[in-house]
Amino acid sequence: AQKVTQAQTEISVVEKEDVTLDCVYETRDTTYYLFWYKQPPSGELVFLIRRNSFDEQNEISGRYSWNFQKSTSSFNFTITASQVVDSAVYFCALEIYNQGGKLIFGQGTELSVKP
Amino acid sequence: AAGVIQSPRHLIKEKRETATLKCYPIPRHDTVYWYQQGPGQDPQFLISFYEKMQSDKGSIPDRFSAQQFSDYHSELNMSSLELGDSALYFCASSSRLNEQFFGPGTRLTVL
Repeated sequence: AQKVTQAQTEISVVEKEDVTLDCVYETRDTTYYLFWYKQPPSGELVFLIRRNSFDEQNEISGRYSWNFQKSTSSFNFTITASQVVDSAVYFCALEIYNQGGKLIFGQGTELSVKP
Repeated sequence: AAGVIQSPRHLIKEKRETATLKCYPIPRHDTVYWYQQGPGQDPQFLISFYEKMQSDKGSIPDRFSAQQFSDYHSELNMSSLELGDSALYFCASSSRLNEQFFGPGTRLTVL
């Protein structure tokens, strides 16, 4: 069975701190995709990144970076120099290749960045 | 850039009533997905359509049905509404094998 676990339910940091959101996934499939979505208080789901299972290269986009490690089945997300606007619920998700495209979400991590 | 459009954005219904949610995918996207997100929960996959055919089915109650029309828009029909159906319903669209982009959601409240 496939599963995504985000063990951190809530994280609170002060502005300008770095913060890492953890994501651990389970699957026996060899081809899959991993995602991060942001859900701000307004409720929409904002796509942040998609990674395929054959690409373990870390990625950086501005203040965001992602660390994908197949050896530990983890796909962690770091925000550098956090800002109040980063406050949101962040979801990690898994999609198994060729299974219709449905996303399996983790439980989400609520990040609160205080000024 | 055009995004996924969902209507209505908010809907209030009584128990045992019927509701219809609409989704208009991003132009040239051929796949539509529906998800249900209960309060404080993660989104749960309901159903998806590729080229107007149902492609996958998740934990969708028998009281719910959906379809994708010739113009690629999709509708989720919900009958005999229950209090537990109160949730945020997301539609997402993608072009085949690419990432899904989500609409703003429809917040359904069942009283």
